[in-house]
Amino acid sequence: AQTVTQSQPEMSVQEAETVTLSCTYDTSENNYYLFWYKQPPSRQMILVIRQEAYKQQNATENRFSVNFQKAAKSFSLKISDSQLGDTAMYFCAFGSNTGNQFYFGTGTSLTVIP
Amino acid sequence: GAGVSQSPSNKVTEKGKDVELRCDPISGHTALYWYRQRLGQGLEFLIYFQGNSAPDKSGLPSDRFSAERTGESVSTLTIQRTQQEDSAVYLCASSLLGGQLFYEQYFGPGTRLTVT
Repeated sequence: AQTVTQSQPEMSVQEAETVTLSCTYDTSENNYYLFWYKQPPSRQMILVIRQEAYKQQNATENRFSVNFQKAAKSFSLKISDSQLGDTAMYFCAFGSNTGNQFYFGTGTSLTVIP
Repeated sequence: GAGVSQSPSNKVTEKGKDVELRCDPISGHTALYWYRQRLGQGLEFLIYFQGNSAPDKSGLPSDRFSAERTGESVSTLTIQRTQQEDSAVYLCASSLLGGQLFYEQYFGPGTRLTVT
């Protein structure tokens, strides 16, 4: 079975600074998908960014970017110019190529300090 | 358009009672997922529907849990003889398979279940 590990239960960052959230995973598959989801206090899960394993180029969405290291099975999220609205739980997730299995990490609680 | 909706938003039930949780996915989304999120923990994958079929039910925690989907639309998750360890937020997500949007899951707001 696939596993997803987020080793940082809590993190904080000053507003406008940059923060990196770590994620590692374990799989024997070669083609798969990786995601970062954000869950604010409202509980609504929101997709932040996704990465297809067959793509070498790191995904970027505005202030959010990833560092995808396939050989190391690492998938970190970098948030630049942190904003107060970035305060939330962040979950790293693995999606199998068959589409019928998803695995989430235990989450990192990020607090942006004014 | 409307997003994924779930009802009820909160449910308090007594131990031993049955509960039914409902999920209305985004119209046209063929894939539907159920997850359980215990307090302070990550999401635990329960079951996945492709259309009205669930190819793999092994993620369901016990035989007290069952799920169905009809009309490639609404899905219900039923928990029989609830136990206190069933207390959690139950999240539903749907996705449109195919093309570039494959695997982007849209989540509902969840149902918070409390078993007393």
